[in-house]
Amino acid sequence: QVQLVESGGGVVQPGRSLRLSCAASGFTFSTYSMHWVRQAPGKGLEWVAVISSSGNDKFYTDSVKGRFTISRDNSKNTLYLQMNSLRAEDTAVYYCARQYCSDGSCIQRLPDYWGQGTLVTVSS
Amino acid sequence: QSALTQPASVSGSPGQSITISCTGTSSDIGGYNFVSWYQQHPGKAPKLMIYDVSDRPSGVSDRFSGSKSGNTASLTISGLQAEDEADYYCSSYTSSSTRVFGGGTKLTVL
Repeated sequence: QVQLVESGGGVVQPGRSLRLSCAASGFTFSTYSMHWVRQAPGKGLEWVAVISSSGNDKFYTDSVKGRFTISRDNSKNTLYLQMNSLRAEDTAVYYCARQYCSDGSCIQRLPDYWGQGTLVTVSS
Repeated sequence: QSALTQPASVSGSPGQSITISCTGTSSDIGGYNFVSWYQQHPGKAPKLMIYDVSDRPSGVSDRFSGSKSGNTASLTISGLQAEDEADYYCSSYTSSSTRVFGGGTKLTVL
């Protein structure tokens, strides 16, 4: 069965960096695009970034452009999110999620399976 | 990248039907048939309930259905049950190749 396990969260000071990881299993990781989605405490879901199956195409929400970098290692079945210049407003549970395929295509789709999330708290 | 617009809350009694709307623009919902709905119980990860506007993943009850008209997508839950009480989020692909979520709707089963 599909499993996504995030790690790397914790408490970090404003302006510092953190790298999140997401270990995938139960499916052929290298053939799926992957997403990061976050949820601030008591708030709604916010899409953060997506990376194509090859890693060649990456897109970000405006608020993290230039600060966050999504990447993947298909040999290790692992997705990453490098977060630099962290701000208090980046405090959230960060979820990794797989993008589904339908009608023979895997592009332009949305997340289907989600991990349980890892909490990032940015505070001095 | 403005969030999609959902009502903050809806409610219904067991056995009734409710509909949650999700309004976007021609650059997201109105331009593509890539709209999904997610159910999230407190402290849990979101669960995909509807994809590609109206398709249900295997294992999701047929009490859940989705539709779209213009820039607005809708999720309908029929035969409301206590376990349906949760937060519901819509999401869409956008013309910028990004994705966008709605603000979420809290469903209360009376």
